[in-house]
Amino acid sequence: DVKVTQSSRYLVKRTGEKVFLECVQDMDHENMFWYRQDPGLGLRLIYFSYDVKMKEKGDIPEGYSVSREKKERFSLILESASTNQTSMYLCASGGNTDTQYFGPGTRLTVL
Amino acid sequence: GQNIDQPTEMTATEGAIVQINCTYQTSGFNGLFWYQQHAGEAPTFLSYNVLDGLEEKGRFSSFLSRSKGYSYLLLKELQMKDSASYLCAYYNQGGKLIFGQGTELSVKP
Repeated sequence: DVKVTQSSRYLVKRTGEKVFLECVQDMDHENMFWYRQDPGLGLRLIYFSYDVKMKEKGDIPEGYSVSREKKERFSLILESASTNQTSMYLCASGGNTDTQYFGPGTRLTVL
Repeated sequence: GQNIDQPTEMTATEGAIVQINCTYQTSGFNGLFWYQQHAGEAPTFLSYNVLDGLEEKGRFSSFLSRSKGYSYLLLKELQMKDSASYLCAYYNQGGKLIFGQGTELSVKP
């Protein structure tokens, strides 16, 4: 059974804090993705990775970085959290042009 | 912006049939996906069409016409639990999955 897990369902941080969001998949997928979802804006791609230690910018990478040290793990990093980064963050994994499977999401609030 | 459109919201009655349309424009196409997303939860995969025609999976069916850039999701025998947002998405030439805004479906008794 497909399994994508994220480290937290809910997270509250203060402006300026460094934030780590972790995502783990057990399907041996090459590709992993980070999205954010906001009302009226839909799902927007932040970063993705096609292989270990490889990363590509998505549509809205500003203010974020990522790390892929192991195939099964893809981390999203907010170097200095800001209030406009309050959002639902969704991790997904999948094959190239194959179905993407999503984790449960992390609802991040930055105060 | 993203060239994919679907209605913002729809309402239907329990037991009825509803069709959610999706139109897209892209020069490189590698398949059309439908996802279901309940409030506060992650999207879950419903269907994937890469060839023209209708794919049936229980109460849900998905149709694709590549020449028209058009797809629809058909939900039969609607249940209250079908109230959710339905997202269509396609892969573009760069290999990114491009999502529509989602259609919020409300099923009324």
